[in-house]
Amino acid sequence: DAGITQSPRHKVTETGTPVTLRCHQTENHRYMYWYRQDPGHGLRLIHYSYGVKDTDKGEVSDGYSVSRSKTEDFLLTLESATSSQTSVYFCAISERGRNNSPLHFGNGTRLTVT
Amino acid sequence: GENVEQHPSTLSVQEGDSAVIKCTYSDSASNYFPWYKQELGKGPQLIIDIRSNVGEKKDQRIAVTLNKTAKHFSLHITETQPEDSAVYFCAASKGGGGNKLTFGTGTQLKVEL
Repeated sequence: DAGITQSPRHKVTETGTPVTLRCHQTENHRYMYWYRQDPGHGLRLIHYSYGVKDTDKGEVSDGYSVSRSKTEDFLLTLESATSSQTSVYFCAISERGRNNSPLHFGNGTRLTVT
Repeated sequence: GENVEQHPSTLSVQEGDSAVIKCTYSDSASNYFPWYKQELGKGPQLIIDIRSNVGEKKDQRIAVTLNKTAKHFSLHITETQPEDSAVYFCAASKGGGGNKLTFGTGTQLKVEL
């Protein structure tokens, strides 16, 4: 398995509270991604990073922010969680961000917003 | 943006039979098509990928074919085994600029004894 650790693995939180999910990699890969997985939607890209302090939005970025202060860590923050953000969140890494550099995924964080 | 459709959503086969999962994509600029296998409670794992300059790629019991003209690609699993039971996702990307993947909605494959 690629050296990707997501924490926490499970979290239950209340509507309106802030939540931060962490992705830690030991591969020194430049690119990191946050996806969410929902039934009937597959995986959808939230945000991605192409280097320290360099991030960009994906297709479902509303309500989420990210930060990357070190190569190995990529944080996803829900400033004020809503029930629609109940999902399984996956972090992925890629060495070069090109089609000769596949994405490898962590084992996910299951987030429930009540 | 890119749209990827995947069929069927569920597929049940007998052990030893072949399984085929099909995907279509909308953006003709897409040039990278990976397939992922996801087991319960785990993240998706890359099993095979193909680039647009290739029509077919094989790796033991799995193969992927790509038809750029029709904008569709397929995963073929031969001699299926119970451990092949999982959810399979296709995806597409334009490669450069972050290799951002657009995923299909998944196929639950069940291999029955």
